[in-house]
Amino acid sequence: GQQVMQIPQYQHVQEGEDFTTYCNSSTTLSNIQWYKQRPGGHPVFLIQLVKSGEVKKQKRLTFQFGEAKKNSSLHITATQTTDVGTYFCAGSQGAQKLVFGQGTRLTINP
Amino acid sequence: KAGVTQTPRYLIKTRGQQVTLSCSPISGHRSVSWYQQTPGQGLQFLFEYFSETQRNKGNFPGRFSGRQFSNSRSEMNVSTLELGDSALYLCASREGDVGNTIYFGEGSWLTVV
Repeated sequence: GQQVMQIPQYQHVQEGEDFTTYCNSSTTLSNIQWYKQRPGGHPVFLIQLVKSGEVKKQKRLTFQFGEAKKNSSLHITATQTTDVGTYFCAGSQGAQKLVFGQGTRLTINP
Repeated sequence: KAGVTQTPRYLIKTRGQQVTLSCSPISGHRSVSWYQQTPGQGLQFLFEYFSETQRNKGNFPGRFSGRQFSNSRSEMNVSTLELGDSALYLCASREGDVGNTIYFGEGSWLTVV
């Protein structure tokens, strides 16, 4: 079945450093979504990418969808303590279920 | 609009018991999905309901079941609880088909002792 792998599992950075998490699917995706879960909270939608090679930005966050629509990345520039949390990617194939990656837990040293 | 509401928020059960969790989706949303979240396994898809019909199912044993009512509210049931069922159970609703944003509730924390 469809699998979505996400790396790294954990990342610890100094405040102000950049952070990147990568997501790879075993199959071509229709779309990919990114979610953020703060400690003790629930996942919150960040963005959806649909087109091959698509790049979207939200302030310091940059999201990319690969040309083959099998991989994606989330890059945070100059991290801040408010960025702490676990970032999940989730992909789907058409009407199939949304499959989540394992998540990358980001911690930041202020 | 009110968000996705899950009840109860916290509960403790004993091995062998059964539990029912409830989810009220965002008004107008007809799709409800359930996920199990544990520290070691991440977010695992349980099942999805759309207009009272189960549309997708994850790889969980038959002890895990769910249903959706005509008002889109959903319940999931776990029978013969095991220690490994201790987890955060998240409900998510979506307005339409796959590809739309899903909105998570705050979850139900289940501890099995």
